[in-house]
Amino acid sequence: ELKVEQNPLFLSMQEGKNYTIYCNYSTTSDRLYWYRQDPGKSLESLFVLLSNGAVKQEGRLMASLDTKARLSTLHITAAVHDLSATYFCAVETSGSRLTFGEGTQLTVNP
Amino acid sequence: GAGVSQSPSNKVTEKGKDVELRCDPISGHTALYWYRQSLGQGLEFLIYFQGNSAPDKSGLPSDRFSAERTGGSVSTLTIQRTQQEDSAVYLCASSLASGRSYEQYFGPGTRLTVT
Repeated sequence: ELKVEQNPLFLSMQEGKNYTIYCNYSTTSDRLYWYRQDPGKSLESLFVLLSNGAVKQEGRLMASLDTKARLSTLHITAAVHDLSATYFCAVETSGSRLTFGEGTQLTVNP
Repeated sequence: GAGVSQSPSNKVTEKGKDVELRCDPISGHTALYWYRQSLGQGLEFLIYFQGNSAPDKSGLPSDRFSAERTGGSVSTLTIQRTQQEDSAVYLCASSLASGRSYEQYFGPGTRLTVT
């Protein structure tokens, strides 16, 4: 059974600081997605990582994928309050179904 | 263009009743997925449809759950004899195609509460 684990599950950080969220998974896959979810809202796609070594950046967020280590990271640079949300990684397996991590609840404090 | 839409947005039902949840995918998207999100179980895959192929039902938690997709577009998820543990947010997603790494676009969800 595929397991997707995120670390940390809760993250409180100050504005302007940097931090990394980790996503480990237990089976071979070279397709990984990051989503953002605001309270009471649906999932918003952030990044699609399709191969080993893929790196994508959007604003203060950068995601990377290491398929050999079965690890993806979401790096936050100079955090701002608007980044407060829950972030999910999801691994694509057979039939394009997604298996999600538990989510990382990020709070950015002024 | 229009995104994935779901109805109703909220549904409160009594234990033992049947419910139907509806999903309208993005026009032209051939793949459609149902997931549910609950406090205890996180985000779980339920079922997916791809074109005219037989759906992958491997994520359905019990035989009380079923889904259909008519005309390759709208999908309905039916839960029979609802139980309190069925309370969750049911999310629908669609993508251009499965078997390739096309993004899944999620709808706003239906919040189901079983009393």
